Amino acid sequence: DIQMTQSPSSLSASVGDRVTITCRASQSISTYLNWYQQRPGKAPKLLIYTASSLQSGVPSRFSGSGSGTDFSLTISSLQPEDFATYYCQQTYTAWTFGQGTKVEIK
Amino acid sequence: QAQLQESGPGLVKPSQTLSLTCSVSGGSISGGEYYWNWIRQPAGKGLEWIGRVFSSGYTDYNPPLKSRVTISVDTSKNQFSLNLTSVTAADTAVYFCARGSPTAYYSYYLDVWGEGTTVTVSS
Repeated sequence: DIQMTQSPSSLSASVGDRVTITCRASQSISTYLNWYQQRPGKAPKLLIYTASSLQSGVPSRFSGSGSGTDFSLTISSLQPEDFATYYCQQTYTAWTFGQGTKVEIK
Repeated sequence: QAQLQESGPGLVKPSQTLSLTCSVSGGSISGGEYYWNWIRQPAGKGLEWIGRVFSSGYTDYNPPLKSRVTISVDTSKNQFSLNLTSVTAADTAVYFCARGSPTAYYSYYLDVWGEGTTVTVSS
């Protein structure tokens, strides 16, 4: 199985901050990497697919980068509605998710 | 725009079989190159992909669950289903169904999700 490790597991930030979350795969997955946002009690929402493509309707403050084993999700200016948990997911083989990164209000 | 809705028992006894159905509306389950997925999330924990089914019936499962999981599709009802056998308390979770859409590079992403249904395994 391909293991996905996110860091940090949680972070505290303020509105307007730039936030970066990283995701590392246990083996190369090319760009078969997606990012999701999940608010409490809700289903996950797709933000980024194939590492860097912005899903339609998602604000441009979200961006993704990386290939191979190392990936990142950046929120350029944190907004109140962005406080949530973020998950990476590899779809290279036997799809797996990272453990999640909770973004909390400082 | 496609919508997905999970249904099934909220309580299952240990050692029995968990059975859930996902109803697809706003589009045909047979239309397009979509995979239809099940994902679960124990309370306060992360997401676990269970498996997927194509409209042809082709399936792919998460290896740790493979021996207990069957996912099937019923194109006449525009539904797909999950069966998980020999359940224990560790299978208690919110279960989501989701559509896997292809990209131009043969990768997939989960772009449409059901709202999730809570299943508790308890006697």
